[in-house]
Amino acid sequence: EAGVVQSPRYKIIEKKQPVAFWCNPISGHNTLYWYLQNLGQGPELLIRYENEEAVDDSQLPKDRFSAERLKGVDSTLKIQPAELGDSAVYLCASSLDWRGSYNEQFFGPGTRLTVL
Amino acid sequence: QKEVEQNSGPLSVPEGAIASLNCTYSDRGSQSFFWYRQYSGKSPELIMSIYSNGDKEDGRFTAQLNKASQYVSLLIRDSQPSDSATYLCAAATENTDKLIFGTGTRLQVFP
Repeated sequence: EAGVVQSPRYKIIEKKQPVAFWCNPISGHNTLYWYLQNLGQGPELLIRYENEEAVDDSQLPKDRFSAERLKGVDSTLKIQPAELGDSAVYLCASSLDWRGSYNEQFFGPGTRLTVL
Repeated sequence: QKEVEQNSGPLSVPEGAIASLNCTYSDRGSQSFFWYRQYSGKSPELIMSIYSNGDKEDGRFTAQLNKASQYVSLLIRDSQPSDSATYLCAAATENTDKLIFGTGTRLQVFP
């Protein structure tokens, strides 16, 4: 079974430029998550989708970040414009469901963003 | 105040020994607990999940949960150099799957 797929793996941009990350979850997984991980820290949730609905985006900086999950499968996370402090690893994860023992989350390889 | 606490380490153990990794959490509503392994430059990999008090064993790994003490641990038996990584503890409350991660404990297994 294929795991969570993310692209690109690395991205280097100049500040104020836009950037987008793509994620395809494990087949059959209804719940999709975007996390941000800074060096030496654990991942922090940005947004959670149940199928195509964003059900928890309280940590998403909405002035510059946006996300979508059209058709409830793959998802895109966008930053516009990027700031120096956005340099981090952006992780996508998926789970079968969010309830009970189905909430095991599996991570993709991540996108390492560097903003110059 | 951090909701999930871990000692950052490094925890150094000799090959073949038992490595004991510990984690405490502050939210008594937490119901689901997870251990992830993260190699340098890689993404977190799920090792164990535990939902009930007591021990859960999977191969060389044993997760232990004590909800009264708000304490989760991971034991790695017969530690191997390939176990050297950062181990992340995460907790989720009953009504949400929002995982709160600790900062991780770096484990070093030396030959």
